[in-house]
Amino acid sequence: KAGVTQTPRYLIKTRGQQVTLSCSPISGHRSVSWYQQTPGQGLQFLFEYFSETQRNKGNFPGRFSGRQFSNSRSEMNVSTLELGDSALYLCASSINSAKETQYFGPGTRLLVL
Amino acid sequence: AQTVTQSQPEMSVQEAETVTLSCTYDTSENNYYLFWYKQPPSRQMILVIRQEAYKQQNATENRFSVNFQKAAKSFSLKISDSQLGDTAMYFCAFIHTTSGTYKYIFGTGTRLKVLA
Repeated sequence: KAGVTQTPRYLIKTRGQQVTLSCSPISGHRSVSWYQQTPGQGLQFLFEYFSETQRNKGNFPGRFSGRQFSNSRSEMNVSTLELGDSALYLCASSINSAKETQYFGPGTRLLVL
Repeated sequence: AQTVTQSQPEMSVQEAETVTLSCTYDTSENNYYLFWYKQPPSRQMILVIRQEAYKQQNATENRFSVNFQKAAKSFSLKISDSQLGDTAMYFCAFIHTTSGTYKYIFGTGTRLKVLA
């Protein structure tokens, strides 16, 4: 089976812009979770989607949003980018829940200038 | 508030030796899961081991095993017969479930270097 894929792998944006990141889970996995990784804050949970519905959400402002499609692919959107949004964004999939074994993608490295 | 603490920012171990990474957590929940993740320099995160809090038996996965002390809220990872490929950042994580919702909390990580 193909692993979790994330596109793009690298992205450079400027403050105020918006960005959309994409995640394709492992075939058959219905749960997709997103995480932000920064040197200062470490790894932080953004949200989890299951069956096209956001099931859980971390403590991030409303500028961070996501969605999941019927094929379980997920997108994450960040609007009005701030310098502090520069991070590695990781996506992980699991069969039904983030409580199970999660499989991570390689991440999208976002740099906000 | 739930927290996960990894008190060892960096560790090193000689190849073939054993090393233990510590993790403590704080929660008032009774139903939760604990994980150790490995993030090698290539950055792709991999699950090492998973433990369900209601299970007394310590989880093991080949050379990796945990010492789960629920009362002490401790969840350490032991790596036996360390290999060069074990060089990575290791994250302890905790997920608790309450009424169907849950939050995933990670520790700050321990950078492990295996020396030849």
